[in-house]
Amino acid sequence: DQQVKQNSPSLSVQEGRISILNCDYTNSMFDYFLWYKKYPAEGPTFLISISSIKDKNEDGRFTVFLNKSAKHLSLHIVPSQPGDSAVYFCARSNFGNEKLTFGTGTRLTIIP
Amino acid sequence: DVKVTQSSRYLVKRTGEKVFLECVQDMDHENMFWYRQDPGLGLRLIYFSYDVKMKEKGDIPEGYSVSREKKERFSLILESASTNQTSMYLCASSSSGQSNYGYTFGSGTRLTVV
Repeated sequence: DQQVKQNSPSLSVQEGRISILNCDYTNSMFDYFLWYKKYPAEGPTFLISISSIKDKNEDGRFTVFLNKSAKHLSLHIVPSQPGDSAVYFCARSNFGNEKLTFGTGTRLTIIP
Repeated sequence: DVKVTQSSRYLVKRTGEKVFLECVQDMDHENMFWYRQDPGLGLRLIYFSYDVKMKEKGDIPEGYSVSREKKERFSLILESASTNQTSMYLCASSSSGQSNYGYTFGSGTRLTVV
């Protein structure tokens, strides 16, 4: 059973500070891990991904870190902006498999 | 602007009705997916399709069926709607071999069964 778990349902961060969203996973072989962002009444939008052969991937204000020994994935947003307030989902896919398995989501609120 | 279009943003249906949720993509993607989103449960896969007339069950297929007669269209069918199928339904598509780089999702259909 290959799962991803987001243990924090919500997170509040001051504008301009760093937001860190976390995700734990099980039983990884060769996988991709992805982060999605979702506003209310809209579909999720893809943010950033990382393959399990890497430790870090960066795209502008967003950086994803993969700690394979701890089976832990994190998304860093710096600096945090009010428009970052949304629900964030981590997801995984197995190599050669088109399906994504999603976590339960973390609601991020950026405080002005 | 490429997109995945879901025919309805909001639907209210009665218990026992047959419900059709339609999804169309204009990106010539091979893969299409139906998820539902519920608070505290995240996104759960109902059905998916890798090709026309092909379908596979996801994690929660009970009470649902799907149809893919054309590459661009993937329909989700609730055979007899029940109140526990009240949810946000999300359609997504991806190109074969590119799912690792993310799906494109539609805006969702908020279905309420009364």
